[in-house]
Amino acid sequence: RKEVEQDPGPFNVPEGATVAFNCTYSNSASQSFFWYRQDCRKEPKLLMSVYSSGNEDGRFTAQLNRASQYISLLIRDSKLSDSATYLCVVNGEDSSYKLIFGSGTRLLVRP
Amino acid sequence: EPEVTQTPSHQVTQMGQEVILRCVPISNHLYFYWYRQILGQKVEFLVSFYNNEISEKSEIFDDQFSVERPDGSNFTLKIRSTKLEDSAMYFCASSAGQIIPGELFFGEGSRLTVL
Repeated sequence: RKEVEQDPGPFNVPEGATVAFNCTYSNSASQSFFWYRQDCRKEPKLLMSVYSSGNEDGRFTAQLNRASQYISLLIRDSKLSDSATYLCVVNGEDSSYKLIFGSGTRLLVRP
Repeated sequence: EPEVTQTPSHQVTQMGQEVILRCVPISNHLYFYWYRQILGQKVEFLVSFYNNEISEKSEIFDDQFSVERPDGSNFTLKIRSTKLEDSAMYFCASSAGQIIPGELFFGEGSRLTVL
């Protein structure tokens, strides 16, 4: 089983749509969870951390389900500028230094 | 806004040559990292560095790789004898502390092409 698994997509949605991505992780001992965003051929950028109680940042909502070992990201009112690859990222097993990245879910928002 | 800067943006080298990739982390950050991303693949951890020593390294980070913080600002990744499979985008990152260890700030990357 992959350490962090994501549906590669692409998710092709119209502007204004709501879209949700899920991610599963294999290590039940992982403690820290994040969503990063990566534009084509650019560096990853932190979108948001994911907390146990769930958290929201504007149009973005992240949820964590520890029992099922999955993380979700909901984007409401999609904008053209949301088109990117969304990376699910989990803290490594033995160390807080190592981040394990998923392969990403590609989102295309069309006019 | 402070940022992580990397040079060169692109380097082409012959197999077997040594390559040094340079990074200037954000000035008040304490933790430094190298990650790499082979084209079309996921971002992979290489090494973390804190207090002038390696904190952790991955299986990828073998004896051909080394890191150094030669002065108060630069953080370098050296590949001693490059192989074709070292062709990738190499990202330097830094973070302020370990409280939220995943909040990394990445540089724009150095694309390495090994011929």
